[in-house]
Amino acid sequence: DGGITQSPKYLFRKEGQNVTLSCEQNLNHDAMYWYRQDPGQGLRLIYYSQIVNDFQKGDIAEGYSVSREKKESFPLTVTSAQKNPTAFYLCASRLDGAHGYTFGSGTRLTVV
Amino acid sequence: QQQVKQSPQSLIVQKGGIPIINCAYENTAFDYFPWYQQFPGKGPALLIAIRPDVSEKKEGRFTISFNKSAKQFSLHIMDSQPGDSATYFCAGTGGSNYKLTFGKGTLLTVNP
Repeated sequence: DGGITQSPKYLFRKEGQNVTLSCEQNLNHDAMYWYRQDPGQGLRLIYYSQIVNDFQKGDIAEGYSVSREKKESFPLTVTSAQKNPTAFYLCASRLDGAHGYTFGSGTRLTVV
Repeated sequence: QQQVKQSPQSLIVQKGGIPIINCAYENTAFDYFPWYQQFPGKGPALLIAIRPDVSEKKEGRFTISFNKSAKQFSLHIMDSQPGDSATYFCAGTGGSNYKLTFGKGTLLTVNP
């Protein structure tokens, strides 16, 4: 079955560490997105990529980095510069048009 | 700047009731307005969507009403069921990058 796989489901990070969240899709979608979800805050866009080897900052990119070396993969690194990284992170991909979004099941990151 | 304002934050109805969730947008470049349903620990899933050239769209028990002049739209859930208990997000998007701007979400509880 086609879909988006995010891993791990739960991740714990010590303060000062960088961590990388994985997002893989086998839908052959060109565009991929990372959103952050906080309670009562909705989803906010971190980074997005519309094509391999190209990506753009979203509304809250500070403290995050991404790469898009393969069409299927769009990993997100949460760096030590992100002061409040505890959140639920959602990856999405899109085939064509605004109606073609598919979301992954998310990674819950907790700083300990 | 919150470009999509959603209300209420939470809503409790009895089975069979008709919960209504309202959204207002600011960006007149938006040309597609989806609603997403999210269950705990899962990613959002597209429920229903509308374009501003129609005033109403119905899919099963879910109806979107759209008022372009007021820049408002709402979701109605007919004959609500306990299984509809979830968080609902409205969103808007426009332009070639199809970035979604989300409202903050409404936690709906349908009591048996």
